[in-house]
Amino acid sequence: LAKTTQPISMDSYEGQEVNITCSHNNIATNDYITWYQQFPSQGPRFIIQGYKTKVTNEVASLFIPADRKSSTLSLPRVSLSDTAVYYCLVGDRDNAGNMLTFGGGTRLMVKP
Amino acid sequence: DTGVSQDPRHKITKRGQNVTFRCDPISEHNRLYWYRQTLGQGPEFLTYFQNEAQLEKSRLLSDRFSAERPKGSFSTLEIQRTEQGDSAMYLCASSFASGGAGGELFFGEGSRLTVL
Repeated sequence: LAKTTQPISMDSYEGQEVNITCSHNNIATNDYITWYQQFPSQGPRFIIQGYKTKVTNEVASLFIPADRKSSTLSLPRVSLSDTAVYYCLVGDRDNAGNMLTFGGGTRLMVKP
Repeated sequence: DTGVSQDPRHKITKRGQNVTFRCDPISEHNRLYWYRQTLGQGPEFLTYFQNEAQLEKSRLLSDRFSAERPKGSFSTLEIQRTEQGDSAMYLCASSFASGGAGGELFFGEGSRLTVL
């Protein structure tokens, strides 16, 4: 059983801000929310992690509302090189007890 | 380079043959994970080690798959009697302590297996 739901794909243009939302209605009290980026033929790469409110690093921001049932990854001023698949992970396990389930992710296509 | 390294990067084999992949994690990381990824899908968890102990295996993992981490450092993943359905990218990741609650996974670039 999936623990997270993300859009399958998104399109954007260079220079725009991109927001990818992940739904996780069954998030547990001690679950962190982690986002990864994956380019073709490479392993996923950690982007950002948070527990509540807002987290920002040099790459992205992560917004988490008070109920923590969703989170939004924000990529400011995307470039063509941000075209990738973005995965949202919540906690250590999905609802079926499977460990660190990535799900299908969101395919972001950045156009010139 | 102190990242996670995997070898070989590509392997082509015939059905029925055995293959082995090696993963060298980041040296100070005590957890090591193996994932499998097929085209268009997210990485699928296979197994993980904490130091040399294999703590969990996916229920989907066939008996033909075995993994070891003999000294708590590098790990090997062996697939016996390969089948065409084993064709995938095999990813290794390492982390310190918990990968989901507070930690992050560092992935290697993967070993791509093609079974003919």
